[in-house]
Amino acid sequence: QQPVQSPQAVILREGEDAVINCSSSKALYSVHWYRQKHGEAPVFLMILLKGGEQKGHEKISASFNEKKQQSSLYLTASQLSYSGTYFCGTGLIFGTGTRLQVFP
Amino acid sequence: EAQVTQNPRYLITVTGKKLTVTCSQNMNHEYMSWYRQDPGLGLRQIYYSMNVEVTDKGDVPEGYKVSRKEKRNFPLILESPSPNQTSLYFCASSLGLAGGPPISTDTQYFGPGTRLTVL
Repeated sequence: QQPVQSPQAVILREGEDAVINCSSSKALYSVHWYRQKHGEAPVFLMILLKGGEQKGHEKISASFNEKKQQSSLYLTASQLSYSGTYFCGTGLIFGTGTRLQVFP
Repeated sequence: EAQVTQNPRYLITVTGKKLTVTCSQNMNHEYMSWYRQDPGLGLRQIYYSMNVEVTDKGDVPEGYKVSRKEKRNFPLILESPSPNQTSLYFCASSLGLAGGPPISTDTQYFGPGTRLTVL
């Protein structure tokens, strides 16, 4: 039921790029992305809707392939503040999570 | 300020002692959900509610009860807690997604979390 994310974990140096993938076994109308810092609540990053509409964070981008039921989150020129666990979601159901650590 | 509040934030209890974790939102959201988070397992949905008096099971409902008597409140009840319910719990609320299919939601707003330990 849960969307599957890959990779499970990523380690980066500041300034490097990363891609997080999300794959669902069910048809998707929308894909949501959240970031969670350790011990805190998840925070909304962006939502992608069927048909191409997208709203959310200015510095992080994402794609949504409706036919393949997949989405990817692109983190470019990573900053220390990007560290955390990233979740994709279909609204109420969340993916398995990807832990991202950015080091100086 | 728009927010979701949960209480208590931390709770240590013993097996079998009934407890309630409260959740309240002030954004007039139709949807409210409960999740538990365990290491390596992500956020797993316990129950959700689409509106007052409308609730449904999520992926891990066993051992939990919910009610939605008012739009703003969605308490989580553990009638007889067991150690395997030790976890970090989050409540969340959202609007429905305009033009979307049933059970599609807009941005989820999360409460600060409740860390529950059952001894």
